[in-house]
Amino acid sequence: AQSVSQHNHHVILSEAASLELGCNYSYGGTVNLFWYVQYPGQHLQLLLKYFSGDPLVKGIKGFEAEFIKSKFSFNLRKPSVQWSDTAEYFCAVDTGRRALTFGSGTRLQVQP
Amino acid sequence: DAGVIQSPRHEVTEMGQEVTLRCKPISGHDYLFWYRQTMMRGLELLIYFNNNVPIDDSGMPEDRFSAKMPNASFSTLKIQPSEPRDSAVYFCASTTGGGAAFFGQGTRLTVV
Repeated sequence: AQSVSQHNHHVILSEAASLELGCNYSYGGTVNLFWYVQYPGQHLQLLLKYFSGDPLVKGIKGFEAEFIKSKFSFNLRKPSVQWSDTAEYFCAVDTGRRALTFGSGTRLQVQP
Repeated sequence: DAGVIQSPRHEVTEMGQEVTLRCKPISGHDYLFWYRQTMMRGLELLIYFNNNVPIDDSGMPEDRFSAKMPNASFSTLKIQPSEPRDSAVYFCASTTGGGAAFFGQGTRLTVV
């Protein structure tokens, strides 16, 4: 069965610092990849997605992610974080069945 | 569009009682998913439907859990009898065949 690993469980950054959150998946076939954000007490919202084409995808709020097929990775990046980016971030994989397998999440805390 | 609508937002019930969670997917979406989120296990897929037909219910924890989708605009997740370990946030999500999943606000269930 496919799995998704997010190795950073809790990240603390100062405002304006750069962010990179790791995501690796285990599945040998074609995948669709997603990053979702969950603000405290809220539901999951889509940040960005990769289906095909340019492996560098841009999402909302200045986030981007790069799909590296050879590394089975889909890391999330943002050049300069803001206090309002404090949230939990989930990487997810769709192996074609449309249901998503989620990573365990990374809690990001941005200090002003 | 109002998005995925779930009710109730909060539910507190006593152990042994029946609990019914409700979901209205986004109009035109033909996939509907039920996820459960807990601190210990993260986001788990319970069951999903395509065109109102259950496709995979292997994530349903026990026979106490059941889900139905009688039409394209309504689904229920029922727990009977409920137990304290069922306490979690239950999310419903919907999508089309080629898009990202949109999540509802969730139902926070507490079984005492």
